[in-house]
Amino acid sequence: AQRVTQPEKLLSVFKGAPVELKCNYSYSGSPELFWYVQYSRQRLQLLLRHISRESIKGFTADLNKGETSFHLKKPFAQEEDSAMYYCALEGLTGGGNKLTFGTGTQLKVEL
Amino acid sequence: GAGVSQTPSNKVTEKGKYVELRCDPISGHTALYWYRQSLGQGPEFLIYFQGTGAADDSGLPNDRFFAVRPEGSVSTLKIQRTERGDSAVYLCASSASGASTDTQYFGPGTRLTVL
Repeated sequence: AQRVTQPEKLLSVFKGAPVELKCNYSYSGSPELFWYVQYSRQRLQLLLRHISRESIKGFTADLNKGETSFHLKKPFAQEEDSAMYYCALEGLTGGGNKLTFGTGTQLKVEL
Repeated sequence: GAGVSQTPSNKVTEKGKYVELRCDPISGHTALYWYRQSLGQGPEFLIYFQGTGAADDSGLPNDRFFAVRPEGSVSTLKIQRTERGDSAVYLCASSASGASTDTQYFGPGTRLTVL
């Protein structure tokens, strides 16, 4: 069975401080991992995926297969980063590219 | 262009009633997904359509839940004999072809409240 764990429900940081949102996964195959973000009063949207190896809005995430982690990082938090962040795993077993989400971490950037 | 749309945005019903939730995917997208998000949880997969057929319905919790996509575009999620535990936000997403490289685009959701 596949599972995504986000241990922090809320993460509060000051503007300009580094941010790390934790994500661990459990999956027997080769995972495709994503970070989705939901800003206040907006719909859920893709932030980044590990296969792209790109930085979006200053965020990066590295897949660590040894630690089964996919933590989201940003060196300097901005006020506009305040949002709900979900880590997700795409499983190909059983057909379809369904996403398994973690419970989410609310990031609050304080001035 | 227009994104994924869902109607209604809010639905309040009484226990035991029947409800239908509608999803309009992005035009041309063949893959369509339904998820359910309960309070304090992440979205949970319900069903995946590829065209008109349900390719994976392993997430439907029981036989009170059913979904259709008769013409390969609009989809309707149907819930019979609603229970208070069905209260949640129901999310729809679509992607171009269902390939792993495709991005899933989410709708705004329908908030269902069962009294």
